[in-house]
Amino acid sequence: DIVMTQTPLSLSVTPGQPASISCKSSQSLLLSDGRTYLYWYLQKPGQPPQLLIYQVSNRFSGVPERFSGSGSGADFTLKISRVEAEDVGVYYCVQSIQLPQTFGGGTKVEIK
Amino acid sequence: EVQLVQSGAEVKKPGESLRISCMGSGYIFTSYWISWVRQMPGKGLEWMGRIDPSDSSTNYSPSFQGHVTISADKSISTAYLQWNSLKASDTAMYFCARNRDGAGEYWGRGTLVTVSS
Repeated sequence: DIVMTQTPLSLSVTPGQPASISCKSSQSLLLSDGRTYLYWYLQKPGQPPQLLIYQVSNRFSGVPERFSGSGSGADFTLKISRVEAEDVGVYYCVQSIQLPQTFGGGTKVEIK
Repeated sequence: EVQLVQSGAEVKKPGESLRISCMGSGYIFTSYWISWVRQMPGKGLEWMGRIDPSDSSTNYSPSFQGHVTISADKSISTAYLQWNSLKASDTAMYFCARNRDGAGEYWGRGTLVTVSS
């Protein structure tokens, strides 16, 4: 199985400040079709996960512009340009290039 | 509007059987795979497996293969996750998700399964 490693485990951020989460995979997520199968989710307390970013850097419908994804191969980053109170929760990266699909362990973001 | 509506919470005893459901609406049910994801209390997300509702072909994570069965009835736009013999360790929240390019795009609100004697 592909191992997804997220850092940090938790993050405490002042509203309006930026935040960054790293995700590294144990092998490249770039497929021969040219697409990279790395996704980011946010799970707010008591809610199901919601898709933020698909294929590294594409914001899903309705996702605010303050969220951005970058990276390539096996090294990826999610950035929040200015954290808002509604951004609290656990962020997960996930790969879907190979079955079984595997998730990172999660990064808990809280507001200072 | 795409919606995945999951069945309600369940409380079962070890050894009992259970089937939970996930009904899709607002889209063509047979056009997208459905995945099931487990979240044990206070823990992260684990992919269990997926089904193509158009022909009921399935893939399972080795961690769950043989312990659960994923099925679908396309006539009523519903996917299922089934256990024949529950264990206490099956206590968890279970989410279904409509897949796009392999990842969950739209998610159900989850079904809480509690297994306790």
